Amino acid sequence: GENVEQHPSTLSVQEGDSAVIKCTYSDSASNYFPWYKQELGKGPQLIIDIRSNVGEKKDQRIAVTLNKTAKHFSLHITETQPEDSAVYFCAAGMEYGNKLVFGAGTILRVKS
Amino acid sequence: GAVVSQHPSWVICKSGTSVKIECRSLDFQATTMFWYRQFPKQSLMLMATSNEGSKATYEQGVEKDKFLINHASLTLSTLTVTSAHPEDSSFYICSASGYYGYTFGSGTRLTVV
Repeated sequence: GENVEQHPSTLSVQEGDSAVIKCTYSDSASNYFPWYKQELGKGPQLIIDIRSNVGEKKDQRIAVTLNKTAKHFSLHITETQPEDSAVYFCAAGMEYGNKLVFGAGTILRVKS
Repeated sequence: GAVVSQHPSWVICKSGTSVKIECRSLDFQATTMFWYRQFPKQSLMLMATSNEGSKATYEQGVEKDKFLINHASLTLSTLTVTSAHPEDSSFYICSASGYYGYTFGSGTRLTVV
């Protein structure tokens, strides 16, 4: 089955700096790679996702890159703000009703 | 956008009692519902997958008689924790798969005393 590894486990950055979180996956059949932000006591919120037919996707300060050959994908947050502080999870799977496998999560702290 | 309403947001129950958690997809049809469990500072662990009108598929190690899942309609799924014990205390989250992809509920904090 699918296995997703996520690094780093914690990341501290200064406000305004960029943050990068990386994930690797094992199943070459996976074609859907979402990223979620989870705040304390709340459910995960989708912040961006990418499908296997594209290599990069951007939404304002957030971008995701995918390297299918190497089986890794990364989340890039630019101009970080204190409100970006949260736990971020990557996931991998096949879309449309198939289960997602989650990474272990990254605690992002943005220091002002 | 897609919204999944999960209730209750928190519940405290006595050991030996049962608790029902409800998830509703408000503006889309959820063909598949996933139920996760999350311990503090840990990732989401999939407990079971359910399709509307079918029996749920449980992950290895999850007791199907303890965690009863019902997905009777395309907009409603329930998780019942039967004969709850303190070790069942956790954060339970549902996720609905539909036209908008995967949408998560806000989670339920279960504390068994």
